[in-house]
Amino acid sequence: AQSVSQHNHHVILSEAASLELGCNYSYGGTVNLFWYVQYPGQHLQLLLKYFSGDPLVKGIKGFEAEFIKSKFSFNLRKPSVQWSDTAEYFCAGRPYNNNDMRFGAGTRLTVKP
Amino acid sequence: DVKVTQSSRYLVKRTGEKVFLECVQDMDHENMFWYRQDPGLGLRLIYFSYDVKMKEKGDIPEGYSVSREKKERFSLILESASTNQTSMYLCASSLLTSGRGEQYFGPGTRLTVT
Repeated sequence: AQSVSQHNHHVILSEAASLELGCNYSYGGTVNLFWYVQYPGQHLQLLLKYFSGDPLVKGIKGFEAEFIKSKFSFNLRKPSVQWSDTAEYFCAGRPYNNNDMRFGAGTRLTVKP
Repeated sequence: DVKVTQSSRYLVKRTGEKVFLECVQDMDHENMFWYRQDPGLGLRLIYFSYDVKMKEKGDIPEGYSVSREKKERFSLILESASTNQTSMYLCASSLLTSGRGEQYFGPGTRLTVT
C-alpha cells in the first residue's frame, strides 16, 4: 500500500541550529509531494510542494526540501531555525493522477530560545 | 485566499448521539476531504468527495458517513458516536486537476465523546 513515513516524532533544537526532517514515500510512479506545518492552535498550512522539475524546492519562511527519487525521500531543511518555527510538520504525498493523498505521522519540532 | 470553514471548533457529545460536522469552502473546489488527526498517527482519511453526491471511502470509514448535496459543503456524520471517535477532525478541499491541487485545510473540530 502507498504510504508516507516520517522518521522523527519529536525534535528539539536550539535557535540558530540547522534542521532536517526526514520523509520517505512508497509510491512507485510519478508523485506529488508536500510539506505542511501546523503551528500551535492553528490550521494546517502548506510550506512547500513538489510536482516536477527542479528537485530542490523552496517554500515559505526559509524552508526547502529536496526530492531524491532514488531514495524515495523528500526531506525538509532549514539552515537556521527560530523559536517561531515551533510547530508540527507533516509530509504528504500522492500519485500525480489521483486524489489518494497520504500523510506521515508528523514531527513535532520544539525550538528552544 | 481559499477559505475552508468548519461549523464548530470544539464539540462535546454523549455516546450514542448522532453528530454532524459541517465544512464549507469558498473557492469552487471539486474535491473535499475529511480526516481525523490523532497524536502519533498523523492524518487519516475518512472519506472524500470529488463531486456533488459522489463519495469515496478513505482508510477509516467505519462508523462515519458523509453527505455532499452542494459543491461548497461537505458534511461528516457520526451515526452513533463512540468514545473512540474522540479526535480532531479536519476538513480540506482541493482542485480536481490531475497532478496539481494541494489541499487547503479548515481549522479543525475537536470532538470529545463522553
